[in-house]
Amino acid sequence: AQSVTQPDIHITVSEGASLELRCNYSYGATPYLFWYVQSPGQGLQLLLKYFSGDTLVQGIKGFEAEFKRSQSSFNLRKPSVHWSDAAEYFCAVVPQLRSGGGADGLTFGKGTHLIIQP
Amino acid sequence: DAGVTQSPTHLIKTRGQQVTLRCSPISGHKSVSWYQQVLGQGPQFIFQYYEKEERGRGNFPDRFSARQFPNYSSELNVNALLLGDSALYLCASSQGGMAYEQYFGPGTRLTVT
Repeated sequence: AQSVTQPDIHITVSEGASLELRCNYSYGATPYLFWYVQSPGQGLQLLLKYFSGDTLVQGIKGFEAEFKRSQSSFNLRKPSVHWSDAAEYFCAVVPQLRSGGGADGLTFGKGTHLIIQP
Repeated sequence: DAGVTQSPTHLIKTRGQQVTLRCSPISGHKSVSWYQQVLGQGPQFIFQYYEKEERGRGNFPDRFSARQFPNYSSELNVNALLLGDSALYLCASSQGGMAYEQYFGPGTRLTVT
């Protein structure tokens, strides 16, 4: 079964500092990859996605992520964080091909809680 | 354009009761998926519907059921509620049946007492 690992439960970063959130997946083939952000009590907002092509993808709010097939990783980065970036960040995957024509939902990691220090 | 909407925002139920949650997808989207998010965890996939048909189901008991209407809105029903059903229930919509790129609503917070 596919799985997603976000090794860091909490990360604290100073405002203006750079950020990297880690994501590793376990799956037989390269899935489609996503990062979502969730503010307290809110739904999830799609930050960026990787389907194919350039392994460095740009998203909203100044975020980017790099897909590394050899490491089964899809790490999220931001050069300079703002206090408003404090939130829960989720990495998610979905298989590119589904057997039997069915649909699988997104498989999420457990999330990384980002704290911004002033 | 309006995003995914869900109702109600919050509700409190008692063990053994039944609950119905509602979701309206983004205009033009034909697929709706439901997820359960327990506090401190990532969302878990429950169902996906496309063109009123169930296309995918996660590892949830038969107490959970859903349907999709001709206008592509959807309902999630949970019978015989347990304390462990307390969670944020998220609805996501996508354009096609494969539901690769999903856009989430704000969720319904269900508390079972």
